[in-house]
Amino acid sequence: DVKVTQSSRYLVKRTGEKVFLECVQDMDHENMFWYRQDPGLGLRLIYFSYDVKMKEKGDIPEGYSVSREKKERFSLILESASTNQTSMYLCASSFRGIDENGYTFGSGTRLTVV
Amino acid sequence: DQQVKQNSPSLSVQEGRISILNCDYTNSMFDYFLWYKKYPAEGPTFLISISSIKDKNEDGRFTVFLNKSAKHLSLHIVPSQPGDSAVYFCAASGMEYGNKLVFGAGTILRVKS
Repeated sequence: DVKVTQSSRYLVKRTGEKVFLECVQDMDHENMFWYRQDPGLGLRLIYFSYDVKMKEKGDIPEGYSVSREKKERFSLILESASTNQTSMYLCASSFRGIDENGYTFGSGTRLTVV
Repeated sequence: DQQVKQNSPSLSVQEGRISILNCDYTNSMFDYFLWYKKYPAEGPTFLISISSIKDKNEDGRFTVFLNKSAKHLSLHIVPSQPGDSAVYFCAASGMEYGNKLVFGAGTILRVKS
C-alpha cells in the first residue's frame, strides 16, 4: 500500500514562529501536494510539486513556502505563523498521469497557532 | 469561482436506508470524478471514481452516477451503516488542471442507528 506519512499529528505553535511540516511518501510518486482543510471551505491547495526542486503555487500560497530536495519528501514552511493559519494540513502524493486513482493522503497535521 | 460544488453541507440518514450525496461541476473538460471519505483527525481516503466516458460505477455498497449533460454526479450508499458517518468530498480532474484535483467543500454524512 502507498503510504504518505506526516511527521506530526498535532502541533501547537506561537504567533511569529517559523513552522515546518514534513511529509514523506514511499511509492516513488512524482507529484506531491499540500492542502489545508477548513470547515465549509473544503480542501484548498497551498503548493504542489511535480518533481524534485520544482514547486508551483496553488490557490492559497500566501504565508507559506515549500521545499522538495528529495523525491520522497515535501516540506511545507510557515515563514511566520499567524492565528489564521490554524487548520488541518494534509499532504498528498500521486503518480504523474491523471487517472481514476487520484491522490493518496497522509493522516494530516492539526496545527494550532496561539 | 467554485468549479466543484457540494451544495448540501450535511445529510442525516437512518441506518439501512440509502444515502445520496450530490455534486455539481461547471467545467465540461473534467476527465475523472472521485469521491473521498474523511473521518475526523484523519486524512481523506479514496472511495470510488468514475471516468467521464461512463455514467455509472459500482463498488459494493457504493455507486457513483454521472450525468454529463447536467454536470452532476451523485454517490449512493446502500445500505447506509453508522461507520459511514464521515465527511465526503467530491473531486474532479482533467488535462486543463494538470495533475491537480479540484475539490468540493464536502458533505457531512451522519448515519443514525
